[in-house]
Amino acid sequence: DAGVIQSPRHEVTEMGQEVTLRCKPISGHDYLFWYRQTMMRGLELLIYFNNNVPIDDSGMPEDRFSAKMPNASFSTLKIQPSEPRDSAVYFCASSLLAGETDTQYFGPGTRLTVL
Amino acid sequence: KNEVEQSPQNLTAQEGEFITINCSYSVGISALHWLQQHPGGGIVSLFMLSSGKKKHGRLIATINIQEKHSSLHITASHPRDSAVYICAVGGLTTDKLIFGTGTRLQVFP
Repeated sequence: DAGVIQSPRHEVTEMGQEVTLRCKPISGHDYLFWYRQTMMRGLELLIYFNNNVPIDDSGMPEDRFSAKMPNASFSTLKIQPSEPRDSAVYFCASSLLAGETDTQYFGPGTRLTVL
Repeated sequence: KNEVEQSPQNLTAQEGEFITINCSYSVGISALHWLQQHPGGGIVSLFMLSSGKKKHGRLIATINIQEKHSSLHITASHPRDSAVYICAVGGLTTDKLIFGTGTRLQVFP
């Protein structure tokens, strides 16, 4: 398996623009997680899905952030409108079973810079 | 106070030294994870454990559930071990992981 695939790897955009990050989990994995990593706050969970259904989105910073998982092999994280404080590395991870009792496999991350 | 605390925050070592990174947590957990993040940014899961000890190559992870403490040991450290090591715990009633802030390790030749 190719592992968790994320695109783009790098994104530079201007404040106010819409940003869409994409993730393809490992085939057969039931759980998908979106994380954000910054120097100040480290890794933070934004939202996670189980069988394509959002289970907990309490980590989503505000209404500008939205995530979807239309099918088992694809998820998006959208920021609209983007702001400079959204600059971070966004990781997608998937696991076969529940996150806390199974290994999570991380994608390479998308480094987002909002100017 | 953070629910997951790691120490030290930064660690430097000479090649060959024995290294210990500590993780303490304040919540009930179902499992504890050790992750490795290399300078390039990729994150790799090293261990997941809920009791006792696990070993993989030169890496050893231990956990003491009663003391709510885990350690990650690296024997015969090597410059390629230079990375950020992150501890994360999974709660008893949630699928979410709670992360420590990481320990930055640099091993010099």
